[in-house]
Amino acid sequence: AQSVTQPDIHITVSEGASLELRCNYSYGATPYLFWYVQSPGQGLQLLLKYFSGDTLVQGIKGFEAEFKRSQSSFNLRKPSVHWSDAAEYFCAVVRASGGSYIPTFGRGTSLIVHP
Amino acid sequence: NAGVMQNPRHLVRRRGQEARLRCSPMKGHSHVYWYRQLPEEGLKFMVYLQKENIIDESGMPKERFSAEFPKEGPSILRIQQVVRGDSAAYFCASSPPGQAPWLAGGPTSDTQYFGPGTRLTVL
Repeated sequence: AQSVTQPDIHITVSEGASLELRCNYSYGATPYLFWYVQSPGQGLQLLLKYFSGDTLVQGIKGFEAEFKRSQSSFNLRKPSVHWSDAAEYFCAVVRASGGSYIPTFGRGTSLIVHP
Repeated sequence: NAGVMQNPRHLVRRRGQEARLRCSPMKGHSHVYWYRQLPEEGLKFMVYLQKENIIDESGMPKERFSAEFPKEGPSILRIQQVVRGDSAAYFCASSPPGQAPWLAGGPTSDTQYFGPGTRLTVL
């Protein structure tokens, strides 16, 4: 069975600083990997996803993520954080199940941005 | 995404009552997923439906929970005889038809659109 681990429950950064959110997955086949952002009281919004090809993926809002098969990781990065980036971030892996595709989410990392 | 509607946004029930949560997918979408988010946890998959069919319900509790997506009208998640442990945010998401909508498009192509959620509180 697949699983997703986001080891950091909370991360605090200063505005303008760089950011890296960690995600490790466990999955027996080629993973389909996603990063979502959730603002308070809202649903999830896709930042980026990876299926194959270039292991460095560019997303929206200046985010990027790098797939590293040897480390089973898919860390999310941003070179300069803005106060509006404060939110909850979820990593997810999608598994194939009898013709359908079912996601498994990590427990999330809460990003706090100091001015 | 504003296109997926969920109502009510907040629902308060007493233990033993029934809760009905509604999800109207985006226009043209025929797939609906339901998720539950407990406090300080990630989303947990519950059920995946297509029109008039339950495709995967591996995440649904065995008792008290049911879901449907009729030919006409919204998808309904029904919780009978609610208990305090059912208090959570329930999200639905819709996606367009196709066997593998997850794989469509580029890295930022959103193939599953989430509603704003229904926050259920059981007293």
